[in-house]
Amino acid sequence: DTGVSQNPRHKITKRGQNVTFRCDPISEHNRLYWYRQTLGQGPEFLTYFQNEAQLEKSRLLSDRFSAERPKGSFSTLEIQRTEQGDSAMYLCASSPGQRQETQYFGPGTRLLVL
Amino acid sequence: QKEVEQNSGPLSVPEGAIASLNCTYSDRGSQSFFWYRQYSGKSPELIMSIYSNGDKEDGRFTAQLNKASQYVSLLIRDSQPSDSATYLCAVNEDSGYSTLTFGKGTMLLVSP
Repeated sequence: DTGVSQNPRHKITKRGQNVTFRCDPISEHNRLYWYRQTLGQGPEFLTYFQNEAQLEKSRLLSDRFSAERPKGSFSTLEIQRTEQGDSAMYLCASSPGQRQETQYFGPGTRLLVL
Repeated sequence: QKEVEQNSGPLSVPEGAIASLNCTYSDRGSQSFFWYRQYSGKSPELIMSIYSNGDKEDGRFTAQLNKASQYVSLLIRDSQPSDSATYLCAVNEDSGYSTLTFGKGTMLLVSP
């Protein structure tokens, strides 16, 4: 069991550029979550997949954000036309898909928008 | 809007003491409760989960839940400098979806 992995670990980009992050969940976990965390705050929920279906999206997820999980395995989170306010740690978590279950977090991708 | 409240701290305790971390939540429908530890620059790591009223012990950690008071706490016995981190309280409504609502976290500092 290799744990949740995320790539890249760090990303620096200029305002207006597009960025894409990848998350590989723990194998056989069918639920995958994206969260965003800024300094001094707890993680905030962005979106959630059950297998390949995107079941819930936060109002924090503006039209510039899109997430996919095409084959129910890895997921990508794309931010278009990045803004300085998008600078944050983007966290991915996965869980087996049972009631009262634990979410396991990946190491995160730290984004800095200049 | 679901809210999870924590004292931001820092909570400073000497090595060997008991650290007590508290959390309140607004949604009475909440069913699952978690404590995560987060070191600076790292991602959250699960410490404890609790689902029923009462105490749950795991090594030096004890989680306490009181659903009537909408209160959950974490006690760390024999605190060590390596316990210095931010402790995040997270709540799950468990309505069929499993999204977590986090507090802002309490910073714990354990001095040698």
